[in-house]
Amino acid sequence: SAVISQKPSRDICQRGTSLTIQCQVDSQVTMMFWYRQQPGQSLTLIATANQGSEATYESGFVIDKFPISRPNLTFSTLTVSNMSPEDSSIYLCSVEVRGHMNTEAFFGQGTRLTVV
Amino acid sequence: SQKIEQNSEALNIQEGKTATLTCNYTNYSPAYLQWYRQDPGRGPVFLLLIRENEKEKRKERLKVTFDTTLKQSLFHITASQPADSATYLCALVWTTDSWGKLQFGAGTQVVVTP
Repeated sequence: SAVISQKPSRDICQRGTSLTIQCQVDSQVTMMFWYRQQPGQSLTLIATANQGSEATYESGFVIDKFPISRPNLTFSTLTVSNMSPEDSSIYLCSVEVRGHMNTEAFFGQGTRLTVV
Repeated sequence: SQKIEQNSEALNIQEGKTATLTCNYTNYSPAYLQWYRQDPGRGPVFLLLIRENEKEKRKERLKVTFDTTLKQSLFHITASQPADSATYLCALVWTTDSWGKLQFGAGTQVVVTP
């Protein structure tokens, strides 16, 4: 299993500013994943963060808007840059743990971002 | 692109009954399919995984089936309890090369009344 601490849990930000979200895992993991959940919507994968290399972004997401750091095997940050009200969402980090019988994802509690 | 559909309407069910949720997908079958539970203000919590070569999995009061012909998974909560009230998400991993990259359905809210 994995325990993920994510902070802040929520924030209200002014448009045009940036917010950095932190994600700490209690064990070393190769990949960490960042998702966005817009109001009433499903979770959408933003990017995959590997330690020691550039993050891999999904279609529709770019590094300039969502820069990611992965300085070690237990920590990652996601920055939401130059925010607009459309960026108001819940942002979640995730790791995958593979067992003998199961592969499951563990999620942080999420960061609820409101841009005004 | 691949699409995943879950019932958008909330499922209201009486305590003790069985709740059945549907997850439909398009195009080719995923390598594996997972079901998660999400409570308000929380991240999803893993419940069950089923692989493309498996027909059924069970865990306590939960059962998931996988029909690659129908391109559908069914998720059952038997003997439902008010504590089962939550949103249930299906998530697909399309290939074994994409470990950890989950594509989620929008989720179905379940409300269990005493």
